[in-house]
Amino acid sequence: AQKITQTQPGMFVQEKEAVTLDCTYDTSDPSYGLFWYKQPSSGEMIFLIYQGSYDQQNATEGRYSLNFQKARKSANLVISASQLGDSAMYFCAMRGTGRRALTFGSGTRLQVQP
Amino acid sequence: EPEVTQTPSHQVTQMGQEVILRCVPISNHLYFYWYRQILGQKVEFLVSFYNNEISEKSEIFDDQFSVERPDGSNFTLKIRSTKLEDSAMYFCASSVGQAGADTQYFGPGTRLTVL
Repeated sequence: AQKITQTQPGMFVQEKEAVTLDCTYDTSDPSYGLFWYKQPSSGEMIFLIYQGSYDQQNATEGRYSLNFQKARKSANLVISASQLGDSAMYFCAMRGTGRRALTFGSGTRLQVQP
Repeated sequence: EPEVTQTPSHQVTQMGQEVILRCVPISNHLYFYWYRQILGQKVEFLVSFYNNEISEKSEIFDDQFSVERPDGSNFTLKIRSTKLEDSAMYFCASSVGQAGADTQYFGPGTRLTVL
């Protein structure tokens, strides 16, 4: 079984500051992928970033980076230079070996304050 | 940029009625998915579909649910006899089907309300 835990139901950050959204996972699969999605108030799910369990480098996509600590089973999302448009729900998800299903965490609601 | 589309954006139905939710996946994608999100809760996997058959399904995807690719572009989710607890946002997603990341791209969702 796979499990994603997001312990921060809500976070506040000042505009232009960096913020870290926590994600821990549990799986017995030998390889897996970790994903972050953004869900604005309009409801759509927007893919942000991916990290493979065997990737040597932490993933980065523009202002998003993933702080992947395999031994701790954590995959925290770092958003640098927060913008008002970053206010949204953020979901961490994983997919295990040989599976297609994404398992999602409960999400973190981020509010960026001017 | 290609995107997944879903219709309708909002569907209201009476308990016990059949509903069909429609999706057009990204054209070169080979895997298709349905997820649901009950209001305020996490996103849950329902089913994945590849080569005209179900490749994986969750416990939620019982006999009340079915999926179909009726033509070369559409992908549908049918709920045969809706229940109050089926009220949720239903997301369609698609992916290329490559090894590694194989990112799933989501549509905007259909909000289903069962009265």
